[in-house]
Amino acid sequence: QSVLTQPPSVSGAPGQRVTISCTGSSSDIGAGYDVHWYQQLPGTAPRLLIFGNSNRPSGVPDRFSGSKSGTSASLAITGLQAEDEADYYCQSYGSSLSGWVFGGGTKLTVL
Amino acid sequence: EVQLLESGGGLVQPGGSLRLSCAASRFTFSSYAMSWVRQAPGKGLEWVSGISGSGDYTYYADSVKGRFTISRDNSRNTLYLQMNSLRAEDTAVYYCAKAVQWQGDYYFDYWGQGTLVTVSS
Repeated sequence: QSVLTQPPSVSGAPGQRVTISCTGSSSDIGAGYDVHWYQQLPGTAPRLLIFGNSNRPSGVPDRFSGSKSGTSASLAITGLQAEDEADYYCQSYGSSLSGWVFGGGTKLTVL
Repeated sequence: EVQLLESGGGLVQPGGSLRLSCAASRFTFSSYAMSWVRQAPGKGLEWVSGISGSGDYTYYADSVKGRFTISRDNSRNTLYLQMNSLRAEDTAVYYCAKAVQWQGDYYFDYWGQGTLVTVSS
């Protein structure tokens, strides 16, 4: 069982907007640690999508955005495209575990 | 662009040992912390271990503490993970990842392609 909780799956039609939530606790996200997001396309390694809650690395489309509030964070994807179909993971730091923690992952299906 | 190339995975019996390597290139290896992250078949990501740029500080998930040892050779731009007393639940793809310090925290900006470790008799 993952420290950070994500919905197992979300779906949306092309062009629509979807959000993926990431819920933590007072020991991780709520303790002030930032949230980072990764995209994992089928059969490939994870790729950094968002760092520091809301920052996009170079090359990541601005259709992807992130936010954080309290003990939770969200990843939003607008203008959904078929190529966005992937697994998405949130990551933070867990002070009670003295280590980095991931969410269980969310599978995005583009209908 | 940054390159991370893992090797050393394979089939090992329960209780056995294996050493993974990650050859890094196209960045100043000694300036960055590094981590190992694993993914069991069909499962999510699990952070395993991390090491500072100098190698002076190491960190482990509870699930591997006392069994795995992370190390690095900055002269060879290579990261290692020595895995002992392997269990079936250690079966996973192991990724090495470059860590970037961010406001007292770290995120992983580049990942290798992974190497599969299978623990089975």
